[in-house]
Amino acid sequence: DTAVSQTPKYLVTQMGNDKSIKCEQNLGHDTMYWYKQDSKKFLKIMFSYNNKELIINETVPNRFSPKSPDKAHLNLHINSLELGDSAVYFCASSHGYNEQFFGPGTRLTVL
Amino acid sequence: QKEVEQDPGPLSVPEGAIVSLNCTYSNSAFQYFMWYRQYSRKGPELLMYTYSSGNKEDGRFTAQVDKSSKYISLFIRDSQPSDSATYLCAPRDSNYQLIWGAGTKLIIKP
Repeated sequence: DTAVSQTPKYLVTQMGNDKSIKCEQNLGHDTMYWYKQDSKKFLKIMFSYNNKELIINETVPNRFSPKSPDKAHLNLHINSLELGDSAVYFCASSHGYNEQFFGPGTRLTVL
Repeated sequence: QKEVEQDPGPLSVPEGAIVSLNCTYSNSAFQYFMWYRQYSRKGPELLMYTYSSGNKEDGRFTAQVDKSSKYISLFIRDSQPSDSATYLCAPRDSNYQLIWGAGTKLIIKP
């Protein structure tokens, strides 16, 4: 299936831990994104990245870092997890700035 | 004030009703306006988009933009239980980033 996939789907961890969420797209897109959706369903862009440029939302703590091994992958690393990091994290991809296709989300719970 | 305001609902209507979902926005520079649909525990998916002011129709769905009042609407005709989802409006800014509303949860009762 052509799609955006994320792993894991659920992630439960303790405060202070470091974790990673993986994202892969097989749509041939050149731009990928990470979003955070909080408990009120508000979607906030965290990063957008293509092979030329990383755009960081300035409100994102530097504990969060995107890493792209190749055009089809954009992983999200989170250091020193905090309670407020609990949310659903969505990866998305697009061709240029056209329609964004979203992954199924990773539900992160920090205890 | 948020750049995009949207009533979170829930909005509950009987099957077959006409549904009106709305957003207001503050940035008059927005030109593209997207509507995404998000089913429970799924990622958002693009429903339709419009450019500048005017209407756009796609099957049972009509998107409408009034730039003079900074008002965006999505109408659903002959609503079905399968339309039950959260609908997010998302204008695109001059940096090509989507500016998301909080979404309106819609419930269609059979």
